[in-house]
Amino acid sequence: GEDVEQSLFLSVREGDSSVINCTYTDSSSTYLYWYKQEPGAGLQLLTYIFSNMDMKQDQRLTVLLNKKDKHLSLRIADTQTGDSAIYFCAGLSGNEKLTFGTGTRLTIIP
Amino acid sequence: GAVVSQHPSRVICKSGTSVKIECRSLDFQATTMFWYRQFPKQSLMLMATSNEGSKATYEQGVEKDKFLINHASLTLSTLTVTSAHPEDSSFYICSARDFQGTAWGYGYTFGSGTRLTVV
Repeated sequence: GEDVEQSLFLSVREGDSSVINCTYTDSSSTYLYWYKQEPGAGLQLLTYIFSNMDMKQDQRLTVLLNKKDKHLSLRIADTQTGDSAIYFCAGLSGNEKLTFGTGTRLTIIP
Repeated sequence: GAVVSQHPSRVICKSGTSVKIECRSLDFQATTMFWYRQFPKQSLMLMATSNEGSKATYEQGVEKDKFLINHASLTLSTLTVTSAHPEDSSFYICSARDFQGTAWGYGYTFGSGTRLTVV
């Protein structure tokens, strides 16, 4: 099966940009997603990118996809305290199953 | 956007009893729903795929007789943890895919999760 790896922790000062990275092994993923999970809650879809795209920007969020290196990143501009959460990348393969990364806990430093 | 309602949000039960968790798609029809389990500080592990009108497909290592899944309608799937034991304590999350064709429709919508504690 696919392996999806993320750094476990990231600390960023309020107002700075956060960059969360994800590497995956299955190059057949058609869609790649970023989800946000706040404590004790389900997952909130933040954004997604098609596998034939290199970059997608949506307000404060920028997703970069490097298919050659199988690397996905999420940049959050002007990070706020409300951005504190765990962020999961996920890939969708042909069997309609999502494979989740290990999750990155983002902590905002005042 | 698409909404998935999951109930209960938190349940405590005695060892040996059964617990039912409901997952409803509120404004769309979901022929397929997914059940995940999440251990503390870990990622989501897919347990099974729930198919409306047919048997669920379980992932390797998941006990079918312990985790009963019923998907009787296009908007409701249930997960029943039978004869629960403390090791079944976990956070269970369902999700459904909205095939409405909008941009967000390509994503999976998740329920808010159920924290199960077996004592």
